[in-house]
Amino acid sequence: EAEVAQSPRYKITEKSQAVAFWCDPISGHATLYWYRQILGQGPELLVQFQDESVVDDSQLPKDRFSAERLKGVDSTLKIQPAELGDSAMYLCASSLAWVAGNNEQFFGPGTRLTVL
Amino acid sequence: RKEVEQDPGPFNVPEGATVAFNCTYSNSASQSFFWYRQDCRKEPKLLMSVYSSGNEDGRFTAQLNRASQYISLLIRDSKLSDSATYLCVVNTPNDYKLSFGAGTTVTVRA
Repeated sequence: EAEVAQSPRYKITEKSQAVAFWCDPISGHATLYWYRQILGQGPELLVQFQDESVVDDSQLPKDRFSAERLKGVDSTLKIQPAELGDSAMYLCASSLAWVAGNNEQFFGPGTRLTVL
Repeated sequence: RKEVEQDPGPFNVPEGATVAFNCTYSNSASQSFFWYRQDCRKEPKLLMSVYSSGNEDGRFTAQLNRASQYISLLIRDSKLSDSATYLCVVNTPNDYKLSFGAGTTVTVRA
């Protein structure tokens, strides 16, 4: 069964350092999402791509976060500099299409970030 | 007000029991509704979509009440393996974003 791949699975860093997460969506999925999930809360969308274009990054803290999907396939999420409040699970998801009512999202295993 | 609100629980139930919980959503124009399941420290996975007429998938039944703006999930004959957090997910109209609730934790005990 096709899966969304993410790496690393765990990342520990010190505040003010830079971190990067990678995601490879299910083959053929045009839409890719990055979510942040803080313990005890639901996932919160950070950025959504349709192919290589950003369609929604309204919740992305752009002063420190950046995301790209250069060839419309895999994607990288970067944080620079990391802050203590960034400690969370970062989930990548993909879906076949960006269609209301028919956009089941498949999630990767996530990257658990701890900022010390 | 949050777009999607859930009772966090936890709901502690014995094996074989029935457990049900609701989720309320704030945008009356929301069109699509889902329940996702998330095991501890794992990724969310789609459990079922929720249709206007209500739908059933084995021991799981989902209902939608548009007038009161809530959806429900009922689990019959609970199994130990049903222990998880259940995320209520609502489609945001116009931009097709999914909004997630914080989840309801269910623990089934032997």
